[in-house]
Amino acid sequence: AQTVTQSQPEMSVQEAETVTLSCTYDTSESDYYLFWYKQPPSRQMILVIRQEAYKQQNATENRFSVNFQKAAKSFSLKISDSQLGDAAMYFCAYRSDYGGATNKLIFGTGTLLAVQP
Amino acid sequence: NAGVMQNPRHLVRRRGQEARLRCSPMKGHSHVYWYRQLPEEGLKFMVYLQKENIIDESGMPKERFSAEFPKEGPSILRIQQVVRGDSAAYFCASSPPIQGYNSPLHFGNGTRLTVT
Repeated sequence: AQTVTQSQPEMSVQEAETVTLSCTYDTSESDYYLFWYKQPPSRQMILVIRQEAYKQQNATENRFSVNFQKAAKSFSLKISDSQLGDAAMYFCAYRSDYGGATNKLIFGTGTLLAVQP
Repeated sequence: NAGVMQNPRHLVRRRGQEARLRCSPMKGHSHVYWYRQLPEEGLKFMVYLQKENIIDESGMPKERFSAEFPKEGPSILRIQQVVRGDSAAYFCASSPPIQGYNSPLHFGNGTRLTVT
């Protein structure tokens, strides 16, 4: 069974600085997707970025980028130029891409990011 | 285009009562997923439904929990005889019929169930 581990329960960053959130996962599959979701106090789950395992190039979305290391099964999220609105809980998630695969996501336990003004 | 709508936003039930959580997927979406988020934990998959069909219920507790997605109307997650351990945030998510990279999940804002 696949598992997702986020070893940093809490992180803090100064506004305008850069922060990296860690995520590791365990799987025997070769085809899958990885995601980072943001959950602000409103509780809404917002997709931040996604990565297909077959792509070597790291995904980037504006100030958000990932460092995907497939062999190490690592998928970290880098937030550049941090803003106060980035303060939230961040979840790493895994989705299988095998036959019959669905949008069944496996989530980590989350990292609570605080942004200091 | 309204997003995934869940109601109620907050629900309080006494032990032994029934809880009904509703989810209306995004327009054009026919796949619905329910996830549960216990305090201090990530979301955990419960069940995946298409219209009138349960596709995967591997994450559903064996007793007291049921889900449906009728041909007309919202998807319902039903919890009978609630216990304090059922207190959690329940999230619904939907996706369009075609799976794959271009169909990410869209989540609702969740229903927070409190059992007293």
